[in-house]
Parts: sequence; structure tokens; C-alpha cells
Amino acid sequence: AQSVTQLDSHVSVSEGTPVLLRCNYSSSYSPSLFWYVQHPNKGLQLLLKYTSAATLVKGINGFEAEFKKSETSFHLTKPSAHMSDAAEYFCVVSGATNKLIFGTGTLLAVQP
Amino acid sequence: DGGITQSPKYLFRKEGQNVTLSCEQNLNHDAMYWYRQDPGQGLRLIYYSQIVNDFQKGDIAEGYSVSREKKESFPLTVTSAQKNPTAFYLCASSKGTSGDLANTGELFFGEGSRLTVL
Repeated sequence: AQSVTQLDSHVSVSEGTPVLLRCNYSSSYSPSLFWYVQHPNKGLQLLLKYTSAATLVKGINGFEAEFKKSETSFHLTKPSAHMSDAAEYFCVVSGATNKLIFGTGTLLAVQP
Repeated sequence: DGGITQSPKYLFRKEGQNVTLSCEQNLNHDAMYWYRQDPGQGLRLIYYSQIVNDFQKGDIAEGYSVSREKKESFPLTVTSAQKNPTAFYLCASSKGTSGDLANTGELFFGEGSRLTVL
């Protein structure tokens, strides 16, 4: 069965410093992986996706993620945080029945 | 502008009452989904529909019902049988089939409906 674990429920960074949001996955086959972002009281928006092409995936708003099969990880990074990046981020894996399985989310706070 | 519209944004309900949440899309997407979001639990799938007049239960369908009479509309009814209905409900749509979704991962979400049971 597929599953996804987000290792931090809350992350706080200062504006202008790097962002790292950690995600580990479990899958019996080569997975498709995604990151979504949710601003307060809004729906979710797709940030980026990995579907077995390049292992380093670039997304919107300067975010990127690297698929590491040996570590079963798909961590989300950004070189320099902006105040507008404050939101909740979800790591998602595509399951065996083609449904999306969402992680429990990481709330990113950006301090001025 | 194309998108998904959910209404109402906020809803209060007394225990024992049914309530229906509206979801309309003008993206011409075939598939539509209802998710429930609770703090610290991520999103859980309630029901999904890949075509008009057909829908399937998701992981937490008990106490909920849906209909798909039109391609554009996928209303969710939270019945009195739902033991803990207070939550944030999100409607989403995707192009094509669930198999396509597995590859693209792209769900388009509405802004949600927050239901509180008093």
C-alpha cells in the first residue's frame, strides 16, 4: 500500500532564509508524487509534481523538490522564504487505485 | 473565469439536521471529488464521480450522500447519521479519469465550505 509521511507538522523560518519541508513515502512501485499548498480558508493548489521524469522538479513560486528513491523522500525546498509563502503544505502520493493519498500537512510560518 | 464554486462558505447546523453543500464547476472536467479536512489529518476522500449519473464511495462515505445529475454539479449531503460532521469540506475536479489523475496529480479545488454543528 502507498503512504506518505510529513515529518514536521510546523516549520518556522525567517524571511529570506531557506525553506525545507520534509516528506517520506512508501510505495510498492514507482510512485507519482506531488506537493500542494493551501492558504488559510482556501482550497489547495498544485505546486509541483514528479511522474518518473527528472528527479529534480521545479514548481511555481520558486519551489522545487527532489525525488530520492534510495531515501524514499520527496522534500520541498525554496532558497529564500517570502512572507507570502506562509501556508500549509501537503505531500501527496498516487495510490494503487489511482486515488491521491494526502499527508497530514506542514504549516509553514514565515517571520519578518 | 473557469473554476469551482462551493457554497455556502460557512454553515451552521443543529444536530439531527441534514445539510447540502453545493459544488459547481465550469472547467468541463469529467471527474469530481469531495474531501473532508480536519486539523492534523490531511484530506480524506468522501465520494468521487468520474461520469454523470455514477459515483463511488471514498474512504469515509458513511453518513454522506451525493448525486451527479449534471456534469457541472456534484452536491454533497451531510446527513444526521454522520457522527462528527463539523469539518472543512473541499470539492475538487480533474480532467479525464482517475488513471489520468494518478499521472497528473492535478486536482482543481474550490475554496471550501466550513460546517459547524451546534
